[in-house]
Amino acid sequence: NAGVTQTPKFRILKIGQSMTLQCAQDMNHNYMYWYRQDPGMGLKLIYYSVGAGITDKGEVPNGYNVSRSTTEDFPLRLELAAPSQTSVYFCASSYSGSAVSSYEQYFGPGTRLTVT
Amino acid sequence: GQQVMQIPQYQHVQEGEDFTTYCNSSTTLSNIQWYKQRPGGHPVFLIQLVKSGEVKKQKRLTFQFGEAKKNSSLHITATQTTDVGTYFCAGGGADGLTFGKGTHLIIQP
Repeated sequence: NAGVTQTPKFRILKIGQSMTLQCAQDMNHNYMYWYRQDPGMGLKLIYYSVGAGITDKGEVPNGYNVSRSTTEDFPLRLELAAPSQTSVYFCASSYSGSAVSSYEQYFGPGTRLTVT
Repeated sequence: GQQVMQIPQYQHVQEGEDFTTYCNSSTTLSNIQWYKQRPGGHPVFLIQLVKSGEVKKQKRLTFQFGEAKKNSSLHITATQTTDVGTYFCAGGGADGLTFGKGTHLIIQP
């Protein structure tokens, strides 16, 4: 298993440009998440999904959009990039079911985004 | 909304010394998780605590969950250079985690 994969690893955007951060997992997890981590800080939840076709906002959703058309993929879209979106973006997944009591999350390697 | 605070922000220790990081939540937690992030890396799950007063050990690491389920701690005995990184506590469930800002552990050989 590759686990959680993210592309690209690095990206520099100009203000106003758009891009999609890709995330995929091969663990058949139903829950997926996007977090951002600013330098020296903790992670903040942007969006999450409990399954294909279902998404919901986290703590900091403004300026982002997501979709979940399959169990495996959970892309994050940035529209009209701003310098405040310079950050490291982590995708994560977890398996949750009635028989599962652990909310352990598996993280991808991250995408380092700079907006100038 | 829920807030999770961690102290200290940075901790310098000599190799072989002990290390402790503390986590406090503004609300009662159903569970608390701990993650480790190496410099330039991604968070890696260490453990989840669920029960009031729970204590779990992993080799040199001891994790505690407070009786009121609002605080937690991670203690590392006799630190090694491999322990370098940032330790995060996080509360939440299937709808996502609220992370503390982390404690950066710096070890001087």
